[in-house]
Amino acid sequence: QQQVKQSPQSLIVQKGGIPIINCAYENTAFDYFPWYQQFPGKGPALLIAIRPDVSEKKEGRFTISFNKSAKQFSLHIMDSQPGDSATYFCAARSPDSNYQLIWGAGTKLIIKP
Amino acid sequence: DTEVTQTPKHLVMGMTNKKSLKCEQHMGHRAMYWYKQKAKKPPELMFVYSYEKLSINESVPSRFSPECPNSSLLNLHLHALQPEDSALYLCASSSKTEGTQYFGPGTRLTVL
Repeated sequence: QQQVKQSPQSLIVQKGGIPIINCAYENTAFDYFPWYQQFPGKGPALLIAIRPDVSEKKEGRFTISFNKSAKQFSLHIMDSQPGDSATYFCAARSPDSNYQLIWGAGTKLIIKP
Repeated sequence: DTEVTQTPKHLVMGMTNKKSLKCEQHMGHRAMYWYKQKAKKPPELMFVYSYEKLSINESVPSRFSPECPNSSLLNLHLHALQPEDSALYLCASSSKTEGTQYFGPGTRLTVL
């Protein structure tokens, strides 16, 4: 129940395309869902986050779609660029576990020029 | 400013060495975290400090010893590590334990 399942494991998209990364969870107590972007050898950087009472949130080219009934959320990157090539992690915050972040396994995204 | 700094960037140590990793934040955050990240894996939580008190210890071996000297600093003391401890060690902070976590750049540790 404390898992977050992320897919796909890797994704290759042509420049300008719209990569979509999906995450699913079981624990309805999760109260906050951040996405982190990580470049090789760097720490994860917060990209965008959403709470379960909102169905969509957009920041620049990044959009989170949230489906509370299906217990799924996804990240869309509009007009993707080679500089977006990185590993993306979804996470869920668990009030049941001292607000720890439960992490997805990560998606390695490559944007081809 | 959401900057968390970590030193050193890289560290190579033998199994009998003692070394320390340092983390600093000046955002007034009262929760600080140590994570370990292996290649192609998500970060794994090791320790959480809340208001300078250790609040979570995720059953980490005693060869890792955290210390929080004040609200801005977090150290991780390393002793008698094993080669399998080689990883990227990440520090993070948040305004409180339920706040958004901001990560530092990490220390790449290699144990020979």
